[in-house]
Amino acid sequence: GESVGLHLPTLSVQEGDNSIINCAYSNSASDYFIWYKQESGKGPQFIIDIRSNMDKRQGQRVTVLLNKTVKHLSLQIAATQPGDSAVYFCAENSLSSGYALNFGKGTSLLVTP
Amino acid sequence: DAMVIQNPRYQVTQFGKPVTLSCSQTLNHNVMYWYQQKSSQAPKLLFHYYDKDFNNEADTPDNFQSRRPNTSFCFLDIRSPGLGDAAMYLCATSTGQAGNEQFFGPGTRLTVL
Repeated sequence: GESVGLHLPTLSVQEGDNSIINCAYSNSASDYFIWYKQESGKGPQFIIDIRSNMDKRQGQRVTVLLNKTVKHLSLQIAATQPGDSAVYFCAENSLSSGYALNFGKGTSLLVTP
Repeated sequence: DAMVIQNPRYQVTQFGKPVTLSCSQTLNHNVMYWYQQKSSQAPKLLFHYYDKDFNNEADTPDNFQSRRPNTSFCFLDIRSPGLGDAAMYLCATSTGQAGNEQFFGPGTRLTVL
């Protein structure tokens, strides 16, 4: 069936480096994508979102890139900090799914000093 | 601050003993969701309410029920918890429009003895 998945289950980066977390999706009708950060023992926290009519969106230290041709989504974190250590989930929905989000598997980001 | 509140944060119950988890929101959102999240996995949607309309996911066990007495509150009832139901239970809300983010509560960690 349709799914959203991540390429890498874990990612370890050094403090100050840039991080890139990738996500593949299979539903060509997906029109909204969102990245969540989840720290241990907490609920997912919104980071950034992007609609399918865009290919790039920037926030504070974060950038989301969307490549609809290859159905690929990425989250870039600039100057990664220890507080960025968490699990990152991509999620998508489409008009056909209404307001239900389809979550990817998650990538654990570990920032080392 | 407007937010999604879950009580209790930690719940311990015995095998087969009914348990109720609660969620409240101050966002006045139309949609409230319940997710189950097991360790190192993505949140799994159990069901959601659009206003008073209940929408159950096809693979949600009958053991799980929900109530939404008003806009602000939503409850998750587990009628006969099994060991496999031990998980984090996340409540989320959204406006109900496709393409809008979901706001998550901090979750309730359920332990089944």
